[in-house]
Amino acid sequence: EDQVTQSPEALRLQEGESSSLNCSYTVSGLRGLFWYRQDPGKGPEFLFTLYSAGEEKEKERLKATLTKKESFLHITAPKPEDSATYLCAVQAGWGKFQFGAGTQVVVTP
Amino acid sequence: DSGVTQTPKHLITATGQRVTLRCSPRSGDLSVYWYQQSLDQGLQFLIQYYNGEERAKGNILERFSAQQFPDLHSELNLSSLELGDSALYFCASSGRDLQETQYFGPGTRLLVL
Repeated sequence: EDQVTQSPEALRLQEGESSSLNCSYTVSGLRGLFWYRQDPGKGPEFLFTLYSAGEEKEKERLKATLTKKESFLHITAPKPEDSATYLCAVQAGWGKFQFGAGTQVVVTP
Repeated sequence: DSGVTQTPKHLITATGQRVTLRCSPRSGDLSVYWYQQSLDQGLQFLIQYYNGEERAKGNILERFSAQQFPDLHSELNLSSLELGDSALYFCASSGRDLQETQYFGPGTRLLVL
């Protein structure tokens, strides 16, 4: 059975304190791994799609990487506006999307 | 703004009732997905439609049904509502490729009293 596990569940950072979020997965035939950001009560906002091991993508203070078993979302020098829940999802085929439970990030000034 | 629209934003109803949630995908997208998000369950995939046809099913209850119309908008019907159906319901859409990025709408918050 496909599984997606995100860690830690919650992360509290000081502004400027870099850190990484982990998404480990077991899925047969990965088609894509997706990172989203979600603010309370709002729809998930797309950040990155990664397709193959070794791939990296960057956007502002965020960088996503992918290996055969896990993905990392690195947050460099975070700001308070980076506070959100970060969701990871994997796709194994048509419609077969599995989301992780998310990592809630709080960045304090 | 993702380009995906959902109505209504909020819905309050009573147990046993039936409601319909509506979603319009991004222009050009053929796939629509429905998700349920509650506090204790996270984001749960319900069902996917592609160009009017059901493509994949997740943890969708028999009391729930969906359809996608020729203009590609979709509706999720929830019937015989229970207190536990209170949740955020999200619609997402994606394009034609198998390796698809989903873009989410703002959601409908359903409260069953």
